[in-house]
Amino acid sequence: EVQLVESGGGLVKPGGSLRLSCTAFGFTFSSYSMNWVRQAPGKGLEWVSSISGSSTYTDYADSVKGRFSISRDNAKNSLYLQMNSLRAEDTAVFYCARSAYFYCTNGVCFSESFDYWGQGALVTVSS
Amino acid sequence: EIVLTQSPGTLSLSPGERATLSCRASHSVRSTYLAWYQQKPGQAPRLLIYGATRRATGIPDRFNGSGSGTDFTLTISRLEPEDFAVYSCQQYGGGPLTFGGGTKVEIK
Repeated sequence: EVQLVESGGGLVKPGGSLRLSCTAFGFTFSSYSMNWVRQAPGKGLEWVSSISGSSTYTDYADSVKGRFSISRDNAKNSLYLQMNSLRAEDTAVFYCARSAYFYCTNGVCFSESFDYWGQGALVTVSS
Repeated sequence: EIVLTQSPGTLSLSPGERATLSCRASHSVRSTYLAWYQQKPGQAPRLLIYGATRRATGIPDRFNGSGSGTDFTLTISRLEPEDFAVYSCQQYGGGPLTFGGGTKVEIK
């Protein structure tokens, strides 16, 4: 059974840093691209970042570019999101999600839909 | 960036009724790379439809997706009690991935 489990959420002050983890079970992790999606309280879904299976390709939403960094460790079946310079508007539930592929060419990135999602990790940025 | 606008914001219906949800894109979505997700309170989203019309694994056939270009529709033929939830569309046809703001289907 495919399962994605996020961890590392919590309360952090503005300007602080936090690292989210997502551990995968039940599938060959390295064969899939992975993604982070967030949802602010009472709001819709917002794509944050994507990474290909071999980490060749990564992409970020403009709202987090330069502050967040996505990475993965296929030996540990784990996905990460390093979040720096956090702002109040980053407060959200962060979900990791799996996709069949993600790649970039000529400066444009392409993805498949997200077929499995974790239960989410709450990140609260507040003083 | 492709902006997705969903309507209506809220749909009030009774079990057994038909639900029709709209997702309109600001620019044409490449190759119908449009997905629909269902989300219940406190839960993660669940993939219902991908490729605009293809049901994901285990999704009942009362859920149907249609459309192309800039206009897409999710139809739930007969609402079951477990179908009352928020539905979001997503385009993944190139460039920044974007989601619509969601349509809440509530019990009338």
